[in-house]
Amino acid sequence: GENVEQHPSTLSVQEGDSAVIKCTYSDSASNYFPWYKQELGKRPQLIIDIRSNVGEKKDQRIAVTLNKTAKHFSLHITETQPEDSAVYFCALYTGTASKLTFGTGTRLQVTL
Amino acid sequence: EAQVTQNPRYLITVTGKKLTVTCSQNMNHEYMSWYRQDPGLGLRQIYYSMNVEVTDKGDVPEGYKVSRKEKRNFPLILESPSPNQTSLYFCASSSSGAYNEQFFGPGTRLTVL
Repeated sequence: GENVEQHPSTLSVQEGDSAVIKCTYSDSASNYFPWYKQELGKRPQLIIDIRSNVGEKKDQRIAVTLNKTAKHFSLHITETQPEDSAVYFCALYTGTASKLTFGTGTRLQVTL
Repeated sequence: EAQVTQNPRYLITVTGKKLTVTCSQNMNHEYMSWYRQDPGLGLRQIYYSMNVEVTDKGDVPEGYKVSRKEKRNFPLILESPSPNQTSLYFCASSSSGAYNEQFFGPGTRLTVL
């Protein structure tokens, strides 16, 4: 199936700093790119998504950018807060099969 | 309350003893799927279903079976569990395929001894 590489696997930032997580993919037919947040012991939940006809989308402190030419998309969290500490997963949908392929996750730790 | 439920939440079993993990959603979603989550590997799709009586393999279907006889239910069946199936399992549903928000269940932690 489609591969998606996610980096870094762990990220530690100080409260108030920004965090960036990047995912790269290979199939140019990919057209939907969601990001999920999983708090410790909880289920994954969608926090933001972007479709291939848009280059950037923002929702308060969270933004996602998509570079279709370079085949990568990134999650940006500004003014990080302790409650942002979680595992973040990127995912992508290609359309050749009706399924999502997830990245391996990034554990974000926001320290005081 | 709109939700996806799974049962059981925790299960310890032994190799070869058939088990079923149930998944139910009350949102009238057509699309349902099963994932397993393992450290360092992220979420990997096991099976998915576009609608009643329509199921298809995901990326790691070996050792699993599913059925979709009703729209709301999508059970995961392990006919002969093995230790490498020890994992955290999530069911998810969506109103229209994998192209939209997936609503996940609370997870089932399975240990196969």
